[in-house]
Amino acid sequence: EVQLVESGGDLVQPGGSLRLSCAASGFTFRNYAISWVRRPPGKGLEWVSSISHSGGGSYYADSVKGRFTISRDDSKNTLNLQMNSLRAEDTAVYYCAKDRETGGHGVNSFDVWGQGTMVTVSS
Amino acid sequence: QSALTQPPSASGSPGQSVTISCTGTSSDVGNYKYVSWYQQHPGKGPKLMIYEVNKRPSGVPDRFSGSKSGNTASLTVSGLQAEDEADYYCSSYAGTYNLVFGGGTKVTVL
Repeated sequence: EVQLVESGGDLVQPGGSLRLSCAASGFTFRNYAISWVRRPPGKGLEWVSSISHSGGGSYYADSVKGRFTISRDDSKNTLNLQMNSLRAEDTAVYYCAKDRETGGHGVNSFDVWGQGTMVTVSS
Repeated sequence: QSALTQPPSASGSPGQSVTISCTGTSSDVGNYKYVSWYQQHPGKGPKLMIYEVNKRPSGVPDRFSGSKSGNTASLTVSGLQAEDEADYYCSSYAGTYNLVFGGGTKVTVL
């Protein structure tokens, strides 16, 4: 079964840091770009970041550029998101999502999603 | 990058059709064929229903169809069923490795 499982969500103070992980199984991880998408409470989905299948390209929404870093470990079939300088507006459920096609940059359509992990930024 | 505009809600009776609009600009929806639609039930991750404007992934019923005209894309759900009640989101590639989503539409089956 193709599956993505997020972890690492927590309550953190403004200005703090958090690292999210996404464990993939059931497909050839290294062949696909993977992304992070978030959903703030009561709001819609927001694309956060994508990393290409090779890891050579990483892309960010303006709202997180310079604060978040996406990375992948193909030996462990794992995607990570390092989040620094967290703000209240970063509060959301964070989903990892698999690109629908092989070999892409990932900033397109996503055919497999995880269940999400909750990040709360509050003092 | 501004979010795409969707109506906050839509509804229909079982068996009827409902159409959800997704309005962007010439920098996103109007300029690319990369419009997708997702369905999300409470507490679950989103599910891809339509990609590249009007293509259905394997396993998605043909009751779901997509189209685009100018800067506005649309999702039509025909023959509404109780399990179609969910939030629906559109997304579009917006150039220079940027992706934008719509604000979401809650579909209610009356």
